[in-house]
Amino acid sequence: NAGVTQTPKFQVLKTGQSMTLQCAQDMNHNSMYWYRQDPGMGLRLIYYSASEGTTDKGEVPNGYNVSRLNKREFSLRLESAAPSQTSVYFCASGGHGGYQETQYFGPGTRLLVL
Amino acid sequence: GENVEQHPSTLSVQEGDSAVIKCTYSDSASNYFPWYKQELGKGPQLIIDIRSNVGEKKDQRIAVTLNKTAKHFSLHITETQPEDSAVYFCAARVNFGNEKLTFGTGTRLTIIP
Repeated sequence: NAGVTQTPKFQVLKTGQSMTLQCAQDMNHNSMYWYRQDPGMGLRLIYYSASEGTTDKGEVPNGYNVSRLNKREFSLRLESAAPSQTSVYFCASGGHGGYQETQYFGPGTRLLVL
Repeated sequence: GENVEQHPSTLSVQEGDSAVIKCTYSDSASNYFPWYKQELGKGPQLIIDIRSNVGEKKDQRIAVTLNKTAKHFSLHITETQPEDSAVYFCAARVNFGNEKLTFGTGTRLTIIP
């Protein structure tokens, strides 16, 4: 199993450009998450999807949109990138309910917005 | 919402000594507390977790303790090795069935050979 995969690994954008970060998991998890990681800020939740067909805002959703394409895939879109969105983005997946709450993380996408 | 505080932000210990990282949480309804290790350039990896019905859990050199009354939990690493150098994050989850985690701000652990 590959676990959680993310593409691309690195990206440089100019202010105002758009892009989509891709995430896929092969663990048959119901829940998927997008986080951003900034120095001294830990991991902050952008959006999450508790199941296929549902998405909800997290702590820092402004400037982002998401799509839960199917059970395996959850994408994050920046419509008009801003320098404040320079960060490392992590996708995670996890079980739903009961004791299946452990989240597994992908390797991350490093984004620089100039 | 839930708030998780983590201390210290940096920690250096001699190889072979023990390291302790502490976290406090605000919501008494939190019932699941994982710890993640993040190596340079990689995503966080779960190393141990504990649920609110347990006071302590061990896995080889790693242990986690939970004090529900004081609302704090700690990670203990014994006999530290150079490969333990990394950033460690604690997290807390509120309510059974709520899958969202709130993370601490991380501790950079450096093992001095």
